[in-house]
Amino acid sequence: GENVEQHPSTLSVQEGDSAVIKCTYSDSASNYFPWYKQELGKRPQLIIDIRSNVGEKKDQRIAVTLNKTAKHFSLHITETQPEDSAVYFCAASAGDYKLSFGAGTTVTVRA
Amino acid sequence: NAGVTQTPKFQVLKTGQSMTLQCAQDMNHEYMSWYRQDPGMGLRLIHYSVGAGITDQGEVPNGYNVSRSTTEDFPLRLLSAAPSQTSVYFCASSPGTGVRTEAFFGQGTRLTVV
Repeated sequence: GENVEQHPSTLSVQEGDSAVIKCTYSDSASNYFPWYKQELGKRPQLIIDIRSNVGEKKDQRIAVTLNKTAKHFSLHITETQPEDSAVYFCAASAGDYKLSFGAGTTVTVRA
Repeated sequence: NAGVTQTPKFQVLKTGQSMTLQCAQDMNHEYMSWYRQDPGMGLRLIHYSVGAGITDQGEVPNGYNVSRSTTEDFPLRLLSAAPSQTSVYFCASSPGTGVRTEAFFGQGTRLTVV
């Protein structure tokens, strides 16, 4: 099955700086890559996703890049704010509705 | 439109007890799934269903049963609770039109087995 690895496990950034989280996947058939944000005690919520026919996607301060050849994708958050502090999960799907998640990255934005 | 609703939010069980975690969605989604979340391990798929009457195993199915008699409901049954099943459980649903779209999660059930 699909194996998704996520790094780093924790990330501390100064407010206003950028944050980058990287994920690799094992199944070359994977074609959908969502990112979820989970605030403390809350449910995961989709923040951005990308499909395999696209190399990059941006939504305001967040962007995702995908390198199919290397089988890795990354989340970029620019101009970080305190409300960006949360756990972020990457995931991959090979087209059968099943999502395989990374272990998560705890992001802390220091004021 | 309530989205995905899970009950209960918290539960404490004794080892060997059985219980059912309820999950319901009102978005007419075809696909529903159950995940467990443990520290440092992300979300792991327990069971999933691609439509009423159809279920299949995920990554960590042992000790759990599911059924999908209606599109709306997807209960998760713990047959004989063990301390290793202490976790936070999330139910999720997504449209099943063949196009990958967002998975909507319930608010979670925090289960402790003593």
